[in-house]
Amino acid sequence: IAGITQAPTSQILAAGRRMTLRCTQDMRHNAMYWYRQDLGLGLRLIHYSNTAGTTGKGEVPDGYSVSRANTDDFPLTLASAVPSQTSVYFCASSDSAGEGGEQFFGPGTRLTVL
Amino acid sequence: GQNIDQPTEMTATEGAIVQINCTYQTSGFNGLFWYQQHAGEAPTFLSYNVLDGLEEKGRFSSFLSRSKGYSYLLLKELQMKDSASYLCAVQDSNYQLIWGAGTKLIIKP
Repeated sequence: IAGITQAPTSQILAAGRRMTLRCTQDMRHNAMYWYRQDLGLGLRLIHYSNTAGTTGKGEVPDGYSVSRANTDDFPLTLASAVPSQTSVYFCASSDSAGEGGEQFFGPGTRLTVL
Repeated sequence: GQNIDQPTEMTATEGAIVQINCTYQTSGFNGLFWYQQHAGEAPTFLSYNVLDGLEEKGRFSSFLSRSKGYSYLLLKELQMKDSASYLCAVQDSNYQLIWGAGTKLIIKP
């Protein structure tokens, strides 16, 4: 593994189903992030984690949950998917959560909720 | 509220120069980032400015004026591979990135 990986690459999901998007990084970065990207909008932060064992809410957290049990993994769970959660989801990490922390992005997961 | 504005789309000619502008209003400022995103791919880092002035990196340069809430990304000697979206993002007082919607740059031969 080099960098950040995400799984699955794409998924079609029935509304009401539970889904976990996986994210793993091998750079030993402290901070990790989940964004969604929708056409015509900027990336929007869903949840973040500044270090293993801690998480925080971003701009659009409703309907999503995260955990950070260790440095490498940061899964995002949709408890009961709704069509408005159709989006491209990017996981990112940075060495520092502070000033100037460059974020490195995974390849993304394209999720469609029907 | 927090707001990042950049043009939706720009067109330029191969070999030319293009300037992509970004204006921002955010709660606090801890630096401004530019990322490049090719269609269907992840964003990749281009530049970071925290002090006023111009930062040059090869064919790409980025400028910041904190007093005006303004930045631009300058791309020189345009190549077809530069066709992509360019995302402006400001790190706010909580060190979170606030993102613009991106500027789609189309390069014509």
